[in-house]
Amino acid sequence: DAKTTQPTSMDCAEGRAANLPCNHSTISGNEYVYWYRQIHSQGPQYIIHGLKNNETNEMASLIITEDRKSSTLILPHATLRDTAVYYCIVNSGGSNYKLTFGKGTLLTVNP
Amino acid sequence: DAGVIQSPRHEVTEMGQEVTLRCKPISGHNSLFWYRQTMMRGLELLIYFNNNVPIDDSGMPEDRFSAKMPNASFSTLKIQPSEPRDSAVYFCASSFSGGRSREQYFGPGTRLTVT
Repeated sequence: DAKTTQPTSMDCAEGRAANLPCNHSTISGNEYVYWYRQIHSQGPQYIIHGLKNNETNEMASLIITEDRKSSTLILPHATLRDTAVYYCIVNSGGSNYKLTFGKGTLLTVNP
Repeated sequence: DAGVIQSPRHEVTEMGQEVTLRCKPISGHNSLFWYRQTMMRGLELLIYFNNNVPIDDSGMPEDRFSAKMPNASFSTLKIQPSEPRDSAVYFCASSFSGGRSREQYFGPGTRLTVT
C-alpha cells in the first residue's frame, strides 16, 4: 500500500472548519483513501473513504485531488468532541485487508 | 446496532496468569481483526479471521498468544502465560468482506495491565 504523510498536529477553533491534509504521492489506481480517527481512550473510528470522487457523509467531507496524490478531510464545523488523532490510510480493498495506521495528525479543537 | 463489543474493558493480572479477551463482532460482518496498541509501537494487527478461519496470524507476537473464532459472533484472544510487556490496549474490529471497500469498525478495547 502507498505510504501517507500527515502533519503531526493541528489546531482549530471551535465552530470553524478543520481541514486535515494527507499526501499519498505513490498511490496506485485501485487504492482507496480511508480516514479514521481515535478519540482519547477509545477505539479507532471509521470516518469516510474515497477512490476518485469527492465524498461527503454525516461526519465529514473528503476532497481528493485530480491526480490523487493528496487529499483533505474536512470537518465543516469542528466541536470540542472532534479533538482526536486522525489517520489517513491508503488501501486497495478487496483481498487486501491490512490497514496500516501511522502516527496520524493530532487535531486539537480549542474553545 | 450495538457495534463491536469487547470484554472485559479493563483487566489487571499478575505475571504468569492466563488472560482471555473476548469480542463480539457486528452482526453480518464476516471479517474479524485483533489489534494491539502501545505508545511505543502504535496500532499493530495481530490476527485476521475471514468467515471464522484464521487467515493471517503473522502479527501474533509468540506462542503465548492464541486466538479462536468458534462461530461468526464470537472470538477470543488468549495470553498464557502473561508477561508485563503484554500490557497494552487490545482492540477487536470487524468488517464485511463482500464488497470492494473494507472499512473496519472497532470495539472500545480492553486495557490489559500485567504486573
